[in-house]
Amino acid sequence: QKEVEQNSGPLSVPEGAIASLNCTYSDRGSQSFFWYRQYSGKSPELIMSIYSNGDKEDGRFTAQLNKASQYVSLLIRDSQPSDSATYLCAGRAGYSGGYQKVTFGIGTKLQVIP
Amino acid sequence: TAGITQAPTSQILAAGRSMTLRCTQDMRHNAMYWYRQDLGLGLRLIHYSNTAGTTGKGEVPDGYSVSRANTDDFPLTLASAVPSQTSVYFCASSESRGVEAFFGQGTRLTVV
Repeated sequence: QKEVEQNSGPLSVPEGAIASLNCTYSDRGSQSFFWYRQYSGKSPELIMSIYSNGDKEDGRFTAQLNKASQYVSLLIRDSQPSDSATYLCAGRAGYSGGYQKVTFGIGTKLQVIP
Repeated sequence: TAGITQAPTSQILAAGRSMTLRCTQDMRHNAMYWYRQDLGLGLRLIHYSNTAGTTGKGEVPDGYSVSRANTDDFPLTLASAVPSQTSVYFCASSESRGVEAFFGQGTRLTVV
């Protein structure tokens, strides 16, 4: 079992809809979570960080964290075709061999249909 | 523009040859990382450096070595390339260990 699990997708949503991307994690010691967006052939780009239970909003993006359920999600409101990309969930756990381990999920591919 | 620069952007390498992937950042970040990204496996950490002069092994270090002589540079060396090292390699940095990282544009390496 991977420490950070994501459905690889693709997740298809119509333009203007809400896209909901989900991620679960197995390490209860995980403290912080990050969402990265990666366009095809490009590098990951950080879009959201969340450190405590609840919601965090930034423009059209809302990250949600539920530590009791070990669940992280990213909501994208008013989805646009330009949001079509792979979204990587990453979790920061405790120290492992001298570094604070950040584990990435495999990413969920989002397709926004015009 | 500030950020992380990787070189080369792509390379085809004969098996058994050595190669160094270069990574330079100008953000004065203490921590730097090398990841490889493979389809279905996601990003996996190869080596990391918490600060200049120190390095450590990540999840998949075998066949790779790194050095961190100064804050800005973090080269990754493949001593004797094998086809399983065909991948996209990303260098990343962060202000301190474990916080959000910023990625370079990647190096696509094909070992034949």
